[in-house]
Amino acid sequence: EVQLVESGGGLVQPGGSLRLSCAASGFTFSRHAMHWVRQSTGKGLEWVSGIGTGGDTNYADSVKGRFSISRENAKTSLYLQMNNLRDGDTAVYYCVRDTGYWYFDVWGRGTLVTVSS
Amino acid sequence: DIQMTQSPSTLSASVGDTVTITCRAGRSISTWLAWYQQKPGKAPKLLIYKASDLQTGVPSRFSGSGSGTEFTLTITSLQPDDFATYYCQQYHTYSRTFGQGTKVEIK
Repeated sequence: EVQLVESGGGLVQPGGSLRLSCAASGFTFSRHAMHWVRQSTGKGLEWVSGIGTGGDTNYADSVKGRFSISRENAKTSLYLQMNNLRDGDTAVYYCVRDTGYWYFDVWGRGTLVTVSS
Repeated sequence: DIQMTQSPSTLSASVGDTVTITCRAGRSISTWLAWYQQKPGKAPKLLIYKASDLQTGVPSRFSGSGSGTEFTLTITSLQPDDFATYYCQQYHTYSRTFGQGTKVEIK
């Protein structure tokens, strides 16, 4: 069964850091680009960051310079390092598989990140 | 970023109805559009890609159409399991963007 399982969410103060992880299984992880998409009550679904099969990375303007995406193919894992967190980063963060044609066909269950003092 | 606008925001319908949701793109995206269904507390689920191609396993009562800047998702003979929120998403640019969602609720 194809599966993505996120972890690492939690409550963090503004300015703090958090590292999200996503464990993939049931497919050849190294052959797929992967992304993080977040969902907040106020802003709906928002693409956050993506990483290609070759390790090339891209970021939404809202997180550029603060977030860093990485992958470890040997561990079939995706990561999101989030620094200098802001209230507006509060959301459920989903790990998402790219089909190779730029749309998303597998989503994890999400992990909640709450930024609050 | 390409802005995606869905209408209506909420739609009330009954089982057996046919419903249509519209998604408009801020500029032409050819047919690089996907539709997702999301139920409360769950992750979005892919329904349609490339504007009109049905994802494997999705019932044929779901259909999509459109190109350029205007797209529609149609659900014929609405079933109890279809009451959910639907999102469109463009993937013409790497910075994918989503519509704000359309909630289909029971009348």
